[in-house]
Amino acid sequence: GQQLNQSPQSMFIQEGEDVSMNCTSSSIFNTWLWYKQDPGEGPVLLIALYKAGELTSNGRLTAQFGITRKDSFLNISASIPSDVGIYFCAGQLNGANSKLTFGKGITLSVRP
Amino acid sequence: KAGVTQTPRYLIKTRGQQVTLSCSPISGHRSVSWYQQTPGQGLQFLFEYFSETQRNKGNFPGRFSGRQFSNSRSEMNVSTLELGDSALYLCASSPREGSYNSPLHFGNGTRLTVT
Repeated sequence: GQQLNQSPQSMFIQEGEDVSMNCTSSSIFNTWLWYKQDPGEGPVLLIALYKAGELTSNGRLTAQFGITRKDSFLNISASIPSDVGIYFCAGQLNGANSKLTFGKGITLSVRP
Repeated sequence: KAGVTQTPRYLIKTRGQQVTLSCSPISGHRSVSWYQQTPGQGLQFLFEYFSETQRNKGNFPGRFSGRQFSNSRSEMNVSTLELGDSALYLCASSPREGSYNSPLHFGNGTRLTVT
């Protein structure tokens, strides 16, 4: 089946640093989504990408839909302590019955 | 606008029992999906409901079932609980079927522990 690969499993950065995460797949997706999950809560949508090559920003977050449609990148600039959490990528094919496929997530730690 | 509401937040059950989890989607959202989240497997799709009909199903045994009501609220049921069913069960809603161009919005989940 379809799988999304996120690595590494954990990342440790210093407050103020920029960080980049990527997500790759052996399959083509038509939609890429990035979610963040805080402890004890459900995933919260950060950015949605619908077109190959699309670059979208949401505050300090920027995400890109890879031109091959098999990857996506999320960049966080000037990290702050509240950026701590688990970041998931998710891919979806077109079609009314298409479910989301999630990566295993990257746990981000930010040292003050 | 209220978000996706899941009840209860925590459940402890013993092996062999059955459990029902509830989800109220965002007002106006007609599609409800359920996911199981475990540390080892991540987020795994269970099923999706739209207009009271199951539209899509993941690779889970028949012990896992669900339904959706006319007001779009949804329930999922797990029968004959096993230890491996311990997980965070997440419900997500979207305005349209399949959630294409209308991303999923998740609730905070129900933490199920099976002893």
